[in-house]
Amino acid sequence: EDKVVQSPLSLVVHEGDTVTLNCSYEVTNFRSLLWYKQEKKAPTFLFMLTSSGIEKKSGRLSSILDKKELFSILNITATQTGDSAVYLCAVEAPNTGNQFYFGTGTSLTVIP
Amino acid sequence: DAGVIQSPRHEVTEMGQEVTLRCKPISGHDYLFWYRQTMMRGLELLIYFNNNVPIDDSGMPEDRFSAKMPNASFSTLKIQPSEPRDSAVYFCASSPGPGIDTQYFGPGTRLTVL
Repeated sequence: EDKVVQSPLSLVVHEGDTVTLNCSYEVTNFRSLLWYKQEKKAPTFLFMLTSSGIEKKSGRLSSILDKKELFSILNITATQTGDSAVYLCAVEAPNTGNQFYFGTGTSLTVIP
Repeated sequence: DAGVIQSPRHEVTEMGQEVTLRCKPISGHDYLFWYRQTMMRGLELLIYFNNNVPIDDSGMPEDRFSAKMPNASFSTLKIQPSEPRDSAVYFCASSPGPGIDTQYFGPGTRLTVL
């Protein structure tokens, strides 16, 4: 069965720390991997990764994909309290339709 | 544009009752997706439509769940009869294309079945 696993489940850090969130996947017919940030509402899109080794960067956030080892990481440097959220990883793996599989997320809490 | 609109925002019902969740996608978006989110299972894709036609409903948990899209501006997700394990947040999302990187999520409906 296809699956997406995120780790850690939760994380508490102090402002200014750097965090690394992990997402591993096991799917057939991989197309892309996406990261979302979810605060107390709907998920918002962060990155889409399709190729190994190419870092995507947006401000203090960056992400990279390893298609050989089947995982991705999301890095957040110089964390701020506004980074507190659940970070979701999703994998697009179309078979008979456009199928998406989400991980259960990593809950990040940044303490002032 | 007001974004994806969902109603109601909160629904509390008793086991066995019929529940109807509603979604209005962003105008011009040809794809509409229904998701369910729980602590245990995370975010799951239930069904998606393209041009009002259901394309993939393999995520629909069982026959108690049904979804319709009678026109380009309205979709419903119905649960009949509802059960406590259906308690979750249900998100609707729309996009101009099939990729999930272009999806816009609605605010969600928090369903509690007692």
